[in-house]
Amino acid sequence: LAKTTQPISMDSYEGQEVNITCSHNNIATNDYITWYQQFPSQGPRFIIQGYKTKVTNEVASLFIPADRKSSTLSLPRVSLSDTAVYYCLVGPDRGSTLGRLYFGRGTQLTVWP
Amino acid sequence: GAVVSQHPSWVICKSGTSVKIECRSLDFQATTMFWYRQFPKQSLMLMATSNEGSKATYEQGVEKDKFLINHASLTLSTLTVTSAHPEDSSFYICSARDVDLNNYGYTFGSGTRLTVV
Repeated sequence: LAKTTQPISMDSYEGQEVNITCSHNNIATNDYITWYQQFPSQGPRFIIQGYKTKVTNEVASLFIPADRKSSTLSLPRVSLSDTAVYYCLVGPDRGSTLGRLYFGRGTQLTVWP
Repeated sequence: GAVVSQHPSWVICKSGTSVKIECRSLDFQATTMFWYRQFPKQSLMLMATSNEGSKATYEQGVEKDKFLINHASLTLSTLTVTSAHPEDSSFYICSARDVDLNNYGYTFGSGTRLTVV
């Protein structure tokens, strides 16, 4: 399993763009990169998944360089409600029957008014 | 979208008793469900993978006789913490995968807060 490294915590202010970078130097050829969000006392919620280059949805963007050894989750114009822990996971495509999700430490994002 | 329901959302039990936690996929069928444990300020730790109709697969270091998992149907998996002790107090979260891979993804329940006194 490819290990991931993320900053333990980040702070931001409302309305700013937040970029959280995750390192995964040992990512395998068939691994995907997936990000989850978790609020206190709740289960994680899927944010975005990508394999290479850039993926965008209504919530976030995911940037993956050509070597795929890192990825960056970009949250545009954060609000107080984006305060949460964000997890970067590397593993099989979430559509794969092979997958088990192993969570790393995650990044505590705190958004201030 | 896919919804996973956990019950109860919180439970307090006496040391030495057993507690059952239910995980239900409400609008999809799940051949595979996963159970996690999360201590305060820590990440989720995968405890076991539950497959419908077969024995669960436990992660290394997880006592299968203490954490009994049953996955008798495509929409229900249960985790029973037997002879609970205060060190078992934690946040337990289940996750389910849709059998229809066109609806792929892992959906998580809202968790169960177990406090053993």
